[in-house]
Amino acid sequence: GAGVSQSPSNKVTEKGKDVELRCDPISGHTALYWYRQRLGQGLEFLIYFQGNSAPDKSGLPSDRFSAERTGESVSTLTIQRTQQEDSAVYLCASSLDWLAGATDTQYFGPGTRLTVL
Amino acid sequence: AQSVTQLDSQVPVFEEAPVELRCNYSSSVSVYLFWYVQYPNQGLQLLLKYLSGSTLVESINGFEAEFNKSQTSFHLRKPSVHISDTAEYFCAVIRNSGNTPLVFGKGTRLSVIA
Repeated sequence: GAGVSQSPSNKVTEKGKDVELRCDPISGHTALYWYRQRLGQGLEFLIYFQGNSAPDKSGLPSDRFSAERTGESVSTLTIQRTQQEDSAVYLCASSLDWLAGATDTQYFGPGTRLTVL
Repeated sequence: AQSVTQLDSQVPVFEEAPVELRCNYSSSVSVYLFWYVQYPNQGLQLLLKYLSGSTLVESINGFEAEFNKSQTSFHLRKPSVHISDTAEYFCAVIRNSGNTPLVFGKGTRLSVIA
């Protein structure tokens, strides 16, 4: 498709389990971003990729969170030993080029709603 | 660091009435400003952005926002809303030097009432 896609759309898991969230960016977009949106909160930046490199991981909330990207394609966000506070909508976005800076429009996927019981 | 404050979490308004969604930001450096919209069951979409030049920017569906540097505001307005404008609206800023992430406000849920 032409837009950013994410899977699964919904994920319910038990506390302590690991989950993996997937993002397919728009073809040709070298920059990819992960955000988290907890109930009643704004979007919280987690990590970005320029190509398959992640220069800034400081937004990841804990060492239970990790992300990787294959080339300039799919990215996966992994949460290990999930906790109830991890419950949120996880959004992925892509843009043409991070280095083009702020003027690049970020295109968002529909999100993955994660519920940790 | 930058921060964004959206003063109203929910704004109900009757159809064909005007609306203003408020956004104030804080930054020690120059920024670019954005409004994103999230329609029910859809992803975030860019509504409009201010990069430079005229401080009044418009979207294709009748919304406009004015950058006010002295008041550090970027309020979103529409003179006459439609039912289809019901959505959540997010204000965001980014340093104009790039290489930093977008910083979002908490969002304002606009509900248009028939």
